[in-house]
Amino acid sequence: GAVVSQHPSRVICKSGTSVKIECRSLDFQATTMFWYRQFPKQSLMLMATSNEGSKATYEQGVEKDKFLINHASLTLSTLTVTSAHPEDSSFYICSAQALAGGRDEQFFGPGTRLTVL
Amino acid sequence: GQNIDQPTEMTATEGAIVQINCTYQTSGFNGLFWYQQHAGEAPTFLSYNVLDGLEEKGRFSSFLSRSKGYSYLLLKELQMKDSASYLCAAPRPHSGNTPLVFGKGTRLSVIA
Repeated sequence: GAVVSQHPSRVICKSGTSVKIECRSLDFQATTMFWYRQFPKQSLMLMATSNEGSKATYEQGVEKDKFLINHASLTLSTLTVTSAHPEDSSFYICSAQALAGGRDEQFFGPGTRLTVL
Repeated sequence: GQNIDQPTEMTATEGAIVQINCTYQTSGFNGLFWYQQHAGEAPTFLSYNVLDGLEEKGRFSSFLSRSKGYSYLLLKELQMKDSASYLCAAPRPHSGNTPLVFGKGTRLSVIA
């Protein structure tokens, strides 16, 4: 149980275009999902917390108008990178929160590798 | 926020034992996690410690000292496939169990 998927796994796009990444909890409902970004040889940095049916909460320094998050259902959150630029090239990982072993736990998706040319 | 510190890189020999240390901010502590991450993949859960002491799980063990704000991950009988980054993570202080704040990761290279 507690499987999280991401689509696409890899995307290459031209500078200035927008890219949508989907994060799905496959066998459980997740009221809360998290989006992380990881640059090469760096740690995962939390970008935003996505709550079903409400606006996402963004971390300091993350532009909400550039990284649009929509959490329209209990199993799907989307991250749209608008007007992507080469510096947005990164590994984007989502996680979904679920109750496991009596505590909230994060289950991670497989990640999406974004390359902006 | 949460400040997590761990060594950047380590190298160990196949069959040996290696210990990866992690220090964290103790205020509002609510558990410490260890994850394994292979290059280009998402992190996979290894262990969770909320009480002091050693938790053993096969070849991997994790230790926690809450008073010292210190944890370590112990890997025994190292195999080549254990070459990966090991991430120490803790929830933000006073925020429950999520979201997790990650350390920069320790890149472990296992050599023959």
